[in-house]
Amino acid sequence: AQSVTQLGSHVSVSEGALVLLRCNYSSSVPPYLFWYVQYPNQGLQLLLKYTTGATLVKGINGFEAEFKKSETSFHLTKPSAHMSDAAEYFCAVTKNTGFQKLVFGTGTRLLVSP
Amino acid sequence: NAGVTQTPKFQVLKTGQSMTLQCAQDMNHEYMSWYRQDPGMGLRLIHYSVGAGITDQGEVPNGYNVSRSTTEDFPLRLLSAAPSQTSVYFCASSEQGVNQPQHFGDGTRLSIL
Repeated sequence: AQSVTQLGSHVSVSEGALVLLRCNYSSSVPPYLFWYVQYPNQGLQLLLKYTTGATLVKGINGFEAEFKKSETSFHLTKPSAHMSDAAEYFCAVTKNTGFQKLVFGTGTRLLVSP
Repeated sequence: NAGVTQTPKFQVLKTGQSMTLQCAQDMNHEYMSWYRQDPGMGLRLIHYSVGAGITDQGEVPNGYNVSRSTTEDFPLRLLSAAPSQTSVYFCASSEQGVNQPQHFGDGTRLSIL
């Protein structure tokens, strides 16, 4: 069975600081990995995804993530946090076959202080 | 384009009542799905559909029914509401292909008293 672990339900950073949100996955087959962002009272929006090929993927709003198979990780980073980055972030995994049955992590709420 | 539209945005029910959560998309997506979001648990898949007339169960299907008579619409029915079904419900749609991004609606906040 697939699973996703997001370390830290809350992460606090100062504006301009590095953002690092951690995600580790468990999958018996090569996975597809996703990061979604949820702003208050809204649905989820795709930030970036890893399918095949380059292990460093770039997404919207300056975010990027690196797929590390040896560490079963897909951590999300951004060099410099903005106030507008405050939101909840979800890592998700799916098998690369059939319908995209996403398995989500429990989410990490990013707090950005001035 | 409106994308994925969910109605209602908020609803309060009494235990045992039934209701239908509506979901419509205008992107001609084949795949549609329903998730529930509970604090500290992320999103969990309830039911999904890969095309009109085809539905299947997800991770937490008990207490919910779905049907897909058209490409655009994918309603979720609660047959007899229970307090455990208090949650935020999200509908999503995507193009065919496991690596296609899912497009989410803004959610329906449902409280069962």
